[in-house]
Amino acid sequence: GENVEQHPSTLSVQEGDSAVIKCTYSDSASNYFPWYKQELGKRPQLIIDIRSNVGEKKDQRIAVTLNKTAKHFSLHITETQPEDSAVYFCAASILLRGTSYGKLTFGQGTILTVHP
Amino acid sequence: DARVTQTPRHKVTEMGQEVTMRCQPILGHNTVFWYRQTMMQGLELLAYFRNRAPLDDSGMPKDRFSAEMPDATLATLKIQPSEPRDSAVYFCASGEGGLSPFFGPGTRLTVL
Repeated sequence: GENVEQHPSTLSVQEGDSAVIKCTYSDSASNYFPWYKQELGKRPQLIIDIRSNVGEKKDQRIAVTLNKTAKHFSLHITETQPEDSAVYFCAASILLRGTSYGKLTFGQGTILTVHP
Repeated sequence: DARVTQTPRHKVTEMGQEVTMRCQPILGHNTVFWYRQTMMQGLELLAYFRNRAPLDDSGMPKDRFSAEMPDATLATLKIQPSEPRDSAVYFCASGEGGLSPFFGPGTRLTVL
């Protein structure tokens, strides 16, 4: 089955700096890669996702890049703010046309702390 | 704003007792997932359903866990008998079209 490795496990930055979290996956058939943010005591919430037919996607201060050849993808947060502090999870899934089921395999998570 | 709901939000029980967790998926979503979150294991998929049919429950200890969808508006996860190692947060999530599921608020289970 799919295996997703996520690094680093903890990341500490100063407000205004950029943060980068990296994930690698094992199954070359995986073609859908979402990122979730989980605040303390809350549910994981989707912040951005990317499909394998694109190499990069941006949404304001958040961007995700994908390298299918190397089987890794990364989350980039620019101009970090204290409210970005949370646990971030990457995930990988296989979307099959007509029978997609979205079985997500998650990375272990990265605790991001943004210091004011 | 449609949301996945879960009950109870917190449950404290003694070892050996039966625990039932309930989930109401977002109306119209055809896929329902049960995830377990612990500090050591992260987010683990226990089981999921598509159109109420179980697709994969390989992540679930079969001897004590069971998951069902008696109808499209209710998913249940049962543990019988419960053990201290089952202590975790259990999330239900629902999705559509294979894209990222929406998570419920979770049930925090403590087994003493």
